[in-house]
Amino acid sequence: KAGVTQTPRYLIKTRGQQVTLSCSPISGHRSVSWYQQTPGQGLQFLFEYFSETQRNKGNFPGRFSGRQFSNSRSEMNVSTLELGDSALYLCASSPQGAVGNTIYFGEGSWLTVV
Amino acid sequence: AQSVTQLDSQVPVFEEAPVELRCNYSSSVSVYLFWYVQYPNQGLQLLLKYLSGSTLVKGINGFEAEFNKSQTSFHLRKPSVHISDTAEYFCAVSDPSRGGSQGNLIFGKGTKLSVKP
Repeated sequence: KAGVTQTPRYLIKTRGQQVTLSCSPISGHRSVSWYQQTPGQGLQFLFEYFSETQRNKGNFPGRFSGRQFSNSRSEMNVSTLELGDSALYLCASSPQGAVGNTIYFGEGSWLTVV
Repeated sequence: AQSVTQLDSQVPVFEEAPVELRCNYSSSVSVYLFWYVQYPNQGLQLLLKYLSGSTLVKGINGFEAEFNKSQTSFHLRKPSVHISDTAEYFCAVSDPSRGGSQGNLIFGKGTKLSVKP
């Protein structure tokens, strides 16, 4: 069974630009979550989608948005990039997304903002 | 708000020695607890989790953790480490009262375990 796949793995953007990251969950998984990982703040929850609906949202500005498609694939978008948005963005999936379920992480997308 | 404290940012240890990575959480209510491992340039992998029942939880790769409600701790242990255990370890907590939502996991800042030959 293929794991969680994130694309692109590495990218460099300029301040002010926008970026879209993609996540394909494990087949059959309906819940997708996104996390931001930085050396200073550690791992922080961005949002969770289940059946194309945002079910939970972390404490990030509105520049961070996401969506989920009918095939459970998810994208997240960051507009008007700032230097502080440089981070590893991790996607995770689980079958139903119930609390306590094991969630499976992808290898992440490394975003560098210059 | 819940928080997770990993008391040691770095733990150096020699191969075949025992290790304990410490984790404390702030919540006084029931929580679910997790330990994840992150190898260099990879995502996170679940080592073990505590949902209910026995306070001693066994996970993959020979790791185990003990839930202590009175001390709000969930320390991770391994009796004999290998070079391949070198990685960053994250403790996390989630709130069962969130029902069907896995969000959001609150992570600690991580502990880098360095196993030396």
